[in-house]
Formats: sequence, C-alpha cells, structure tokens
Amino acid sequence: DAGVIQSPRHEVTEMGQEVTLRCKPISGHDYLFWYRQTMMRGLELLIYFNNNVPIDDSGMPEDRFSAKMPNASFSTLKIQPSEPRDSAVYFCASSAGQGTNYEQYFGPGTRLTVT
Amino acid sequence: GESVGLHLPTLSVQEGDNSIINCAYSNSASDYFIWYKQESGKGPQFIIDIRSNMDKRQGQRVTVLLNKTVKHLSLQIAATQPGDSAVYFCAENRGDTDKLIFGTGTRLQVFP
Repeated sequence: DAGVIQSPRHEVTEMGQEVTLRCKPISGHDYLFWYRQTMMRGLELLIYFNNNVPIDDSGMPEDRFSAKMPNASFSTLKIQPSEPRDSAVYFCASSAGQGTNYEQYFGPGTRLTVT
Repeated sequence: GESVGLHLPTLSVQEGDNSIINCAYSNSASDYFIWYKQESGKGPQFIIDIRSNMDKRQGQRVTVLLNKTVKHLSLQIAATQPGDSAVYFCAENRGDTDKLIFGTGTRLQVFP
C-alpha cells in the first residue's frame, strides 16, 4: 500500500483565495482524521470521519473551514476565504478501526502558506 | 507583536547512549497510549503503543513504560543513533472517543 496520500504537498496562495487540500486514506481504513500543525499550537485535531460520516468537528477553527468525505477513498479540507493565520502544515491520517487499536497512519502533509 | 511558539523540551544525547523521553498524561480514564516520531518535513510515524493493562512493552531498540499511578509514560531508546533525531510525541486515547490526544512533543538531538 502507498500509505496515506495528500495533495498538494505545498500550496502558496493569497489571502482571500479558496484552498482545497486532498487526502486519500489507506484502503480499508474506516477512520480519517484531519490535523493542523503550527509552531504556536502544535498538532491539533480539526475533524474526523468514521465510514465517511463526520463524527467530531469541534476542532474546526471557524466557518471558513469545511471538510467532506464523499467516499471511502477521498476527503477534502477546504478553507474559504483563506487568511495568513491559516498558514500551517495540514496532515491527514487514517486508521483501520478503533476499540482495540487506535494507531493512526499519517500522510506527508500539505504545507500551506497564505500571504 | 512578536509571536511565541510552543517551547519544545529538548533532549540532547550522544550517539550510542540510551535516551529516555517522558510524557505526563492527564486523564486517568485513558486506556491506550502511543508514541510517534516526526522527522523534519514528514508526518508522524508510529513507534510503539501500550494498553493500560500493561506497564511495559518492548520493540526493536525501544521500550515504553507506563506508570498509571502517577499518569506517566516514557519512551526509552537504546543505543541512540543519529537517525533517531526527531520530535517525539506521546498520545492517549481516553476511552470515550476514537480520538488521539497528542502531547506537545520532545525534540531529541543526537550528537556524535
């Protein structure tokens, strides 16, 4: 398996523009997590899905952020409009199942810079 | 104004020495713990995990110790190598959700 795939790896955009980050989880994994990592706040969970359904979005900073998972092999995180303070590395992670094993497999991340 | 980032504790060790990275957790109901390693420019990678019904678990060159009495977790790396240089995160699952709660991390620097 190729692991969790994220695209793009780097994104530079201007304030006010829409940004869409993409994630392909590991095949067969039922859980998908979106994280944001910054020097200020460390690694923060934004939202997670189970079987394509959003379970907990309490970490989503504000209405400018939205996430979807239209099918088991694809998820997007959208920021509209983007602001400089959204600059961070965004990670997607997937997990096979909970209850006995909470191990999450992380993608390489998308480094977002908003100018 | 000047921004202030998280202050990551840093552990500096000489190549070949053993390293011990510590982590305190807050929730006594947590029943699963995991250590991740994050190298520069990469996503966190799984190292080892442990359930609350155990107090020790060993992997290849790594050992995790769990002390539930004082809510403390440690990661021991034997014969530390330059490739071990990274930020190490502990994370816990609190049993009532499917989330992992991550600590702030410890930077391990290995010098020759």
